[in-house]
Amino acid sequence: DAGVTQSPTHLIKTRGQQVTLRCSPKSGHDTVSWYQQALGQGPQFIFQYYEEEERQRGNFPDRFSGHQYPNYSSELNVNALLLGDSALYLCASSLAQGGPYNEQFFGPGTRLTVL
Amino acid sequence: GENVEQHPSTLSVQEGDSAVIKCTYSDSASNYFPWYKQELGKRPQLIIDIRSNVGEKKDQRIAVTLNKTAKHFSLHITETQPEDSAVYFCAARIFGNEKLTFGTGTRLTIIP
Repeated sequence: DAGVTQSPTHLIKTRGQQVTLRCSPKSGHDTVSWYQQALGQGPQFIFQYYEEEERQRGNFPDRFSGHQYPNYSSELNVNALLLGDSALYLCASSLAQGGPYNEQFFGPGTRLTVL
Repeated sequence: GENVEQHPSTLSVQEGDSAVIKCTYSDSASNYFPWYKQELGKRPQLIIDIRSNVGEKKDQRIAVTLNKTAKHFSLHITETQPEDSAVYFCAARIFGNEKLTFGTGTRLTIIP
């Protein structure tokens, strides 16, 4: 049973470029959340996707957008990259019907460096 | 929105001693409090969680306590071992809300 997977593992971009990160949820899960973890900080919630729609969004600008496919996999897109976007981007999957205490399982993350 | 504070930011304990990490939250509507362990370069992994209708939960050497009145919760690790060295994050989730709000983390170092 595969856990949450993310690609790529590492990515280096320059300011102003655009990036797409990918996530495949744990088998049986239908909900994907994205978090940004800056160095030495806790993860910050970006948004969550369920049934191919953004269900909830954190305090991130519109440069951050996403998508969820019918197979529940998800993408995170960041446009007009800034130096401050350098971080570990974590994807977490869960089951919508898991109830109010459902666990979110994290992927290994994508380390994005913006030069 | 919810705000979670975590202390201390770093903690060093002798192997075999106990470690305690404390968190406070701001929104009384929070009802779920997980703790994650993140080893260097690895993903956060859930080690224990507690629901708002429970005051304490234990799993072998790990326990979590919750004080809803004071809006704080704590992680207790007993008989610490070198493999307990990692960064620990507390988090809180408001009922009906999907996002987890994390603390800033505690770097725990176990001294052999």
